[in-house]
Amino acid sequence: GAGVSQSPSNKVTEKGKDVELRCDPISGHTALYWYRQRLGQGLEFLIYFQGNSAPDKSGLPSDRFSAERTGGSVSTLTIQRTQQEDSAVYLCASSLIAGGPDEQFFGPGTRLTVL
Amino acid sequence: AQSVAQPEDQVNVAEGNPLTVKCTYSVSGNPYLFWYVQYPNRGLQFLLKYITGDNLVKGSYGFEAEFNKSQTSFHLKKPSALVSDSALYFCAVRGRGTAGNKLTFGGGTRVLVKP
Repeated sequence: GAGVSQSPSNKVTEKGKDVELRCDPISGHTALYWYRQRLGQGLEFLIYFQGNSAPDKSGLPSDRFSAERTGGSVSTLTIQRTQQEDSAVYLCASSLIAGGPDEQFFGPGTRLTVL
Repeated sequence: AQSVAQPEDQVNVAEGNPLTVKCTYSVSGNPYLFWYVQYPNRGLQFLLKYITGDNLVKGSYGFEAEFNKSQTSFHLKKPSALVSDSALYFCAVRGRGTAGNKLTFGGGTRVLVKP
């Protein structure tokens, strides 16, 4: 069956530009997560959505970062006025519900390079 | 706050030898524990999880992990490593209850299996 998909797979942008990263979760999964993985490092939680509840934005590193989830499905992570330190792989994951014993299913990630 | 420690940045093992990747955690109450594997330029793949019950959990690709509550550990093991097991391994923990929606990852351990 279809897994989590992300687009684009690679994005190169200039410092100061805005970027949008897209995530398509597994159909029927109500929870959606965004993580950032810097080169050679672990996963840094950014934000998660659970159904129609208010998202948990506690991991967003600055107000330049925002995310939306439309219709309880597709999500877009937006980074405004990109900085070189934003360069990383951005991973999206989904699960049946947030919390509990359900494992998360990850997409292949979007590699963002800010020049 | 919950946390995960993977004390080894890299583990080297000869093919056919036993493989162990260490993980210790800190969380309030009983944990849900997970292991994920990441191959180069790929997203994370779920290996196994501990929910409750038997402390020895068996997962994909011949991997298993042992939950030790007194030592707050969840070490990943494989009796006989393959070259194809070379990858980056992440341990993750989630608490239970309303505060337990986030998954906290360790920094990752790179496994290199030599022929």
